Parts: sequence; structure tokens; C-alpha cells
Amino acid sequence: QQQVRQSPQSLTVWEGETAILNCSYEDSTFDYFPWYHQFPGESPALLIAIRPVSNKKEDGRFTIFFNKREKKFSLHIADSQPGDSATYFCAAEGSGGSNAKLTFGKGTKLSVKS
Amino acid sequence: DAAVTQKPRYLIKMKGQEAEMKCIPEKGHTAVFWYQQKQSKELKFLIYFQNQQPLDQIDMVKERFSAVCPSSSLCSLGIRTCEAEDSALYLCSSSRDNSGNTLYFGEGSRLIVV
Repeated sequence: QQQVRQSPQSLTVWEGETAILNCSYEDSTFDYFPWYHQFPGESPALLIAIRPVSNKKEDGRFTIFFNKREKKFSLHIADSQPGDSATYFCAAEGSGGSNAKLTFGKGTKLSVKS
Repeated sequence: DAAVTQKPRYLIKMKGQEAEMKCIPEKGHTAVFWYQQKQSKELKFLIYFQNQQPLDQIDMVKERFSAVCPSSSLCSLGIRTCEAEDSALYLCSSSRDNSGNTLYFGEGSRLIVV
């Protein structure tokens, strides 16, 4: 059972456009939703994260939109740059015991063309 | 910057051989997680420790792997008998605790089983 679903698998946008990456989850006890990015040959690194008390989190060009009722969250990358080209993973985590670990989506490979 | 150290960076094993990978989590971090990644795709959760105790692990780890984290300064993940499907990048990560803190990844140990 895949607890965190991510789409699209790959995405190509032009420089300056907004890239939109989507995720959904099933476990209503999840209460922490980060996005990680991974550049080729490197390890994943935290980009931005949100908790359900908010429905929006911004950090520069990166914004998470969160819909608790529909169990969906998305990452919007505004004014995309070629340097944003990477694989992006959404994740979800519950609290306490065996649920307190990040479950990752399968990733979206983003290519930004100039 | 956080520094999770993993060794070795690369290891090549024959089918049936034993493999061992080590991880030194970030100082002060009490939660340690291992993930498996194949071909820069999905991050598959393997096992996690909180204060040196294993709190959750997948069946594959229970059956064929050995993992310990006897101190907050050195953890290890072992494969008792390597199979071709075990070829992957094994990522160790740590966080301050297991409740929504940033996960810091090491550079990984790349295992090739021939």
C-alpha cells in the first residue's frame, strides 16, 4: 500500500514558469509534510515543510499549498530556474512509535529549460 | 551544516557475501533512519532507531539484514547474504528526534552485488 502518492513522475517547464508538483496521502494521522530535493550525485536535502495547522507555507520562490480535507499538498516553484532541475520528493510523517518516520513519494524529476 | 558520515562510499560484493555499512549520525541527534534508493528513484524506508532502540523496520530487514545503533556515535546496517536486488544506494539519516525535525542525509554507501 503506497501511503504517499506523487505526480507527475517527470515535469519539464521553461525558465520563468511555475512548476507544480503534487502529492496526496492516506493516513490522516500524518502531521508533518516536507519536500526534499535531490540533485544528481547528491543526497536529498530539505527544501520546505508544513504542518496541518497551516494551509500555505512560503519560502522565497517555493510555496507549499496544503488541503487537509482532501489529503493533498503541492509544491509550487515560481520563476523556475535551470538550477532548480532536480528530483523532488514529498514526504509525510506521523507522530510517535512506528509512524514517526518519513514516508516518501516516488519523486518528480523536474527539468527547467532555458 | 549537519554532517552525517557514511562509510564506505562504495562496496562491491558477490552474491551470497556479507556486506556492512556504517553511519555516524549528526552529533546530538537521537533518531537514525536508513533508506534504500535504486537508480536515484524512490527512497524506500528500511529501519529507524530512536535513542539506539529500533522502533520500526520493514520485513526485508527483519529477514535478511542486521542493523544496530549501539551508541549515538556509530550505527551499522548489514546484509547477511547479498542478493542482486540489494544493489542500491543506502542512505543513513539522522534528526534531533523523531517528531518532525529536519532529516539530514549522509552521502550514502553504494552497494553493487555481482
